Amino acid sequence: GAVVSQHPSWVICKSGTSVKIECRSLDFQATTMFWYRQFPKQSLMLMATSNEGSKATYEQGVEKDKFLINHASLTLSTLTVTSAHPEDSSFYICSAGSGLAGGGQFFGPGTRLTVL
Amino acid sequence: KQEVTQIPAALSVPEGENLVLNCSFTDSAIYNLQWFRQDPGKGLTSLLLIQSSQREQTSGRLNASLDKSSGRSTLYIAASQPGDSATYLCAVYNFNKFYFGSGTKLNVKP
Repeated sequence: GAVVSQHPSWVICKSGTSVKIECRSLDFQATTMFWYRQFPKQSLMLMATSNEGSKATYEQGVEKDKFLINHASLTLSTLTVTSAHPEDSSFYICSAGSGLAGGGQFFGPGTRLTVL
Repeated sequence: KQEVTQIPAALSVPEGENLVLNCSFTDSAIYNLQWFRQDPGKGLTSLLLIQSSQREQTSGRLNASLDKSSGRSTLYIAASQPGDSATYLCAVYNFNKFYFGSGTKLNVKP
């Protein structure tokens, strides 16, 4: 199946710093990628839909100035957590679809962010 | 808005048992439904994908069914093994988004 990678797999940073997370589709092109956040023992919460070449679409309640998304190419989307605070600590997961009719989504391995 | 519910939230069974995980969704206008497995601290692994026009999909010991009209899907695991212990998530795709259930945490005891 298709492979989606994320980098880094984990990151620890000080409060107030910005952190960038990359999501790459390794063997297919993805015009749309999705970013999710997962709190401990909870399910995935969709944060935003990343569209190649255009602005991301954010879900209600997600601060677009806090979570900057850039879909620079058909294989790369980045999520930048700006001025991170301890409450931003979470597990962030991206997904991408191949765009084939009826195709499912492929998920990255996730990035564990810890803000001290 | 689509809402996805999974029952039970947790399940503990002895090794070798057959089991069923349930998923229900409120809006039947879905494009497809996927079952995923998530191990602690890890990402999601896709298990089965069912298109809206399909009734079921099978992979090894796993069988997933879909009844779109009633808004239900089940994941059947045959002859469970300790390695099956994980959280199982179902997700429906419509309105260009994925909607996830809260998951069923499965523990298979040796």
